[in-house]
Amino acid sequence: DAGVIQSPRHEVTEMGQEVTLRCKPISGHDYLFWYRQTMMRGLELLIYFNNNVPIDDSGMPEDRFSAKMPNASFSTLKIQPSEPRDSAVYFCASSLAGGAKNIQYFGAGTRLSVL
Amino acid sequence: DQQVKQNSPSLSVQEGRISILNCDYTNSMFDYFLWYKKYPAEGPTFLISISSIKDKNEDGRFTVFLNKSAKHLSLHIVPSQPGDSAVYFCAASRGGAGGTSYGKLTFGQGTILTVHP
Repeated sequence: DAGVIQSPRHEVTEMGQEVTLRCKPISGHDYLFWYRQTMMRGLELLIYFNNNVPIDDSGMPEDRFSAKMPNASFSTLKIQPSEPRDSAVYFCASSLAGGAKNIQYFGAGTRLSVL
Repeated sequence: DQQVKQNSPSLSVQEGRISILNCDYTNSMFDYFLWYKKYPAEGPTFLISISSIKDKNEDGRFTVFLNKSAKHLSLHIVPSQPGDSAVYFCAASRGGAGGTSYGKLTFGQGTILTVHP
C-alpha cells in the first residue's frame, strides 16, 4: 500500500489567497484526520471524518477553515482567505475501526507558508 | 487545557545508554496510549502502544510503562542508537465504539531525542 498521500508537499502563498490541501487515505480505512503542527501548539487535531462524515470539527480554528470528504479516497482542507498565522505543517492521517486499535497512519505533510 | 503533556522538550543521550521519555495525562477516561516517532520532513509513525489494562508492553528495544494511578507513562529505549534521534509524541485515546471520541487521539507536545555516537 502507498500509505497516506498528501499534496502538495510545500505550498507558498500570499495572504488573502485560497489554499487547498489534499489527502488520499489508505484504501479501506474509514477514519480520516486533519492535524496542524506548529512550534507553539504542537500537533493539534483540526477535524476528523468517519465514513466520509465529519464527526468532530471543534479543532477548526475559525470559519476560514473548511474540510470536505466527498468520497472514501479523497479529502480536502481549504483555507480562505489565508493569513500568515496559518503557516504550519498540515498532516492528514487515516485509521481503520476494528483494526489495530486507534493506530493512525500519517502522510508526509504539507508545509504551508503564507507570506 | 492540555490533557496530554510531555514536559521535557528535549533529551540528549549517549549511544548505547537508556533513553527515557515521559508523558503525563489528566483525563482519567483515556484507556489507550501510543507513542509515535517523527523524523524531519516526514509524518509521525506509530512506534508502540499500551492498553490501560496493562502496565507494560515491550517490543524489541522499546518498552512502554503505564502507571494509571499517577496518570503517567514512559517510553524506554535500550540501547539507544543514533537512528533513534527524532521527535517522540505521546498520544492518548478513549475507547468504546462509536461516539465522538472513538478513534480520536490527543497528542502531547513532543520530545526531541538526540542520541550521540
